[in-house]
Amino acid sequence: NAGVTQTPKFQVLKTGQSMTLQCAQDMNHEYMSWYRQDPGMGLRLIHYSVGAGITDQGEVPNGYNVSRSTTEDFPLRLLSAAPSQTSVYFCASSYDGGNEKLFFGSGTQLSVL
Amino acid sequence: EDKVVQSPLSLVVHEGDTVTLNCSYEVTNFRSLLWYKQEKKAPTFLFMLTSSGIEKKSGRLSSILDKKELFSILNITATQTGDSAIYLCAVDGAGTASKLTFGTGTRLQVTL
Repeated sequence: NAGVTQTPKFQVLKTGQSMTLQCAQDMNHEYMSWYRQDPGMGLRLIHYSVGAGITDQGEVPNGYNVSRSTTEDFPLRLLSAAPSQTSVYFCASSYDGGNEKLFFGSGTQLSVL
Repeated sequence: EDKVVQSPLSLVVHEGDTVTLNCSYEVTNFRSLLWYKQEKKAPTFLFMLTSSGIEKKSGRLSSILDKKELFSILNITATQTGDSAIYLCAVDGAGTASKLTFGTGTRLQVTL
């Protein structure tokens, strides 16, 4: 039972570097999303997708890009990493966007120096 | 801007105690309120509430929503060390696909 798989689990970047956080789900879920979790801030929505080929911005999209070429995959790209992007990132999915059925990945802890 | 406030921020109790966690919210178009439990990493779903006054129960956990006063409580009775976690409250206020606004969470520690 893979569920939602995120890689890598940990990453350290230097300011200005780019990288892609990977997210894959094997539950045939239409809806996928990315959140970041910071101390004292709670989880905040970065981008989401309601199906292949469709993406939209969440609350804090600046500095991040996403694409959804397949139902299974929803990568998050950091274009030019900044220390303010140091955070824990969670990918989540659900069959139809219903929040009670939102499955979270195990998270990626990212540090930008 | 939608807002969710949880209290207390943290709580330490002894095993067997009963705890009440609070969540208040301000949203433009309320659709549902959700509770999640976050242990080591990924949040896991506990409850979804859409109507006032209807208590949701799962074992020792229960939750109720008051849409007039804009708050929800999560009760845990006979706490166990396995209940130690961060409890997250979130509100779906968008009316369209999932756009949850999360509170900062309540960190619960249950000691022997």
